[in-house]
Amino acid sequence: ILNVEQSPQSLHVQEGDSTNFTCSFPSSNFYALHWYRWETAKSPEALFVMTLNGDEKKKGRISATLNTKEGYSYLYIKGSQPEDSATYLCAFWETSYDKVIFGPGTSLSVIP
Amino acid sequence: EAGVAQSPRYKIIEKRQSVAFWCNPISGHATLYWYQQILGQGPKLLIQFQNNGVVDDSQLPKDRFSAERLKGVDSTLKIQPAKLEDSAVYLCASSLDPGRAGFYEQYFGPGTRLTVT
Repeated sequence: ILNVEQSPQSLHVQEGDSTNFTCSFPSSNFYALHWYRWETAKSPEALFVMTLNGDEKKKGRISATLNTKEGYSYLYIKGSQPEDSATYLCAFWETSYDKVIFGPGTSLSVIP
Repeated sequence: EAGVAQSPRYKIIEKRQSVAFWCNPISGHATLYWYQQILGQGPKLLIQFQNNGVVDDSQLPKDRFSAERLKGVDSTLKIQPAKLEDSAVYLCASSLDPGRAGFYEQYFGPGTRLTVT
């Protein structure tokens, strides 16, 4: 059974703090990893699509790294703002079963 | 560019009733996904279409759930009969993915929140 984990489950940070969370996935049969942001009452929105070991992606204050050999990806938010409050989901594609598996998400609350 | 459209946004039904959800993906997107998201969990893939063919429906409870993609565009997901545990948000997503899925980001619709009483 393939399992994708995310940690922490939730966190609360002060405005201006930097934060990071982790997505852990099986290290074998890696194909792709996606990060999505899901704000309350909105649709999930893609942040990054990562396919190569060592990939680093950046969008504004948000960045992500990928280590396929050890099976993890980090998402970093620099200088958190209240509008960053959302659930952050990672999605893992693997090759043997050819399917996508989402993690349970990390819920971020940024306190003004 | 118009986004992924879903309807209805909310639905409340009693157990053993039937319900159907509709999804219109972004024009030109080959791949369409239906997910079930139960509170506190990540979205679970129910079915994935590539054009109008099924790529993966291994987690679709086929005794009560059915889905089709009409002419490789719109899609409907049906539940008949519904159970209490079907209460969830049903998300539709589409992506370009002309070949193997996963290399392109998914675009999600607003979801349908289903409550079964």
